[in-house]
Amino acid sequence: GAGVSQSPSNKVTEKGKDVELRCDPISGHTALYWYRQSLGQGLEFLIYFQGNSAPDKSGLPSDRFSAERTGGSVSTLTIQRTQQEDSAVYLCASSVERSTEAFFGQGTRLTVV
Amino acid sequence: DQQVKQNSPSLSVQEGRISILNCDYTNSMFDYFLWYKKYPAEGPTFLISISSIKDKNEDGRFTVFLNKSAKHLSLHIVPSQPGDSAVYFCAASDSQQGSEKLVFGKGTKLTVNP
Repeated sequence: GAGVSQSPSNKVTEKGKDVELRCDPISGHTALYWYRQSLGQGLEFLIYFQGNSAPDKSGLPSDRFSAERTGGSVSTLTIQRTQQEDSAVYLCASSVERSTEAFFGQGTRLTVV
Repeated sequence: DQQVKQNSPSLSVQEGRISILNCDYTNSMFDYFLWYKKYPAEGPTFLISISSIKDKNEDGRFTVFLNKSAKHLSLHIVPSQPGDSAVYFCAASDSQQGSEKLVFGKGTKLTVNP
């Protein structure tokens, strides 16, 4: 595709429910990142995939958060038993291997009520 | 612990004047720095970058300066235009770390007044 695509663009969920957020990176990009931006905060790193290497999960805030990347392309971020503090914009980005110019999607705005 | 700090949450300048956005970092291993611009309801877009082997990089109206001894970088926009109004994020990475994740600051909201 022309750019990084994220779905859904908006998600409202009840506290305690699980949610899945999807990211389609730019074709050919081997690196994929997930970030989140809470209200009034900067971009918080969550997880980074690079090719076939083990992902860097050092930013995941709790074990309720997990992500996978199938076939080196599409990625899914899963949040289990959502809490109100999980409300944020979740941003996905991709880049070519060993490039640090990452291209971002429009994000998924998650609201936990 | 903020490794990348943008201490000014907001900045307002007049059209045609210079905008200077500042960023400080604490990790001396950072060797690549980027600026991203973000409009509301959109993802951040890459603006300009600089490697630690340089102290200046210029692209049109945008110039980034890097002072490694002070662990400080700045983005200069001149002349500023109303369309430059956005949130600007500073980011840094350590290319030797093996995981080149970008570490972002909290952003500075720039408003350029006509």
